[in-house]
Formats: sequence, C-alpha cells, structure tokens
Amino acid sequence: DAEITQSPRHKITETGRQVTLACHQTWNHNNMFWYRQDLGHGLRLIHYSYGVQDTNKGEVSDGYSVSRSNTEDLPLTLESAASSQTSVYFCASSDPGGRDTQYFGPGTRLTVL
Amino acid sequence: QQQVKQSPQSLIVQKGGISIINCAYENTAFDYFPWYQQFPGKGPALLIAIRPDVSEKKEGRFTISFNKSAKQFSLHIMDSQPGDSATYFCAAANSGGYQKVTFGIGTKLQVIP
Repeated sequence: DAEITQSPRHKITETGRQVTLACHQTWNHNNMFWYRQDLGHGLRLIHYSYGVQDTNKGEVSDGYSVSRSNTEDLPLTLESAASSQTSVYFCASSDPGGRDTQYFGPGTRLTVL
Repeated sequence: QQQVKQSPQSLIVQKGGISIINCAYENTAFDYFPWYQQFPGKGPALLIAIRPDVSEKKEGRFTISFNKSAKQFSLHIMDSQPGDSATYFCAAANSGGYQKVTFGIGTKLQVIP
C-alpha cells in the first residue's frame, strides 16, 4: 500500500547542531508539505514543494530549509537547531489532480536542548 | 494573522451528546474546507470536507454546516462516542491543484462515558 513515512520518529539534539528530518512518500504525489505542530498554534506550514526542484517558504520558514531532488522525498533541515524549534513535525503530500486531500505522516518529535 | 479561527480549543462531551466545533475564515478566495481528525501519536487524517456550493454535508455521524455569507463553518458530531476523542482541525484552502492549506489551532475533544 502507498504510504508516507517519517524518520526518525523521535530526536533529541543540542542547540546549534544541524538536524535533518526525512520524509518519504510512495504515492508519487507532486505536492509535499512540512508543518510543525505546537500547542495553541495548530499546524503551521514551514515549507512546501509542488514538484522536483521546486521549493517554497511557508509562514514559519526561518531556520529551516528543504530540497526536492526526486518526487518521493522532501527532507527538512534545521541549519542550527534552536530551543524554539522543539516541536512535532509532520510531513504531508497531496495529488494536484483535484482531490485536495493531504495525507500526513506519523510525525517526528524533535527536542532541542 | 490567523486566517482560520477555531473554537473552542477544548471540549468535553457526554457519550451520546452532540459535539460542535466552530470555525471562521477571512479569505474569500478559500473554496475548500476540510476537517482533519488526529489521534494521539498519529498524523492528522481527513475526516470530511465541503465546498462552498453546498450548505451542509453529512457523512455518518459527522456533519459540516457552511455559511458562506458569514464566512463560518462548523463540525457537528452526533451521538458522540469515546472513540471520537481526538483533536479536530478545521482548515481552508484555495484549491485548483495547489492545496496549500491553512489550519485552525485545533480542538481537543474528550467524550466521557
């Protein structure tokens, strides 16, 4: 069955370290998204991509970067982790063919000490 | 600026009762309004969605009511069950193939026996 996976599921890191969160989907969806979920803020869009080599900033993109070298993967990199980036991160994908449904991964809980 | 306002942030309902979650939006270009359901430790999953050409959509015990003139929509869960206990997100998007979705802050629903 097609799916979307994230790794690692849990990560503890130190302030200033570079961290990369992986997202892999097997639906062959062109659209992929990264969100962070924080209490009182809901889901906030970090970056998104509409296809290979396409990346766009969301509403909370500072301190994060993404790259899209193939359809299946959209890794999220925290260049220099900060305590404010402690959060749960979700990757999602969708099919631009008109269905509009976003399919979410299981999430990565990141703690920055 | 929060483009989709959701209330309440938490809700406790007796088993068999009706759960009601309300959302309001500002951007009149939004034309797709999904609701996502999230269980602890899981990613959000699409529950039900509506487009502004209809005022109501029902799927089983879940109903979306939509008021285009007031720019408001709500989720009603009839005969609420303990298994409905989850966090619910309303959302809005301007579709047409690019499903960048704006989410509300979420409502944590607890259905007590």
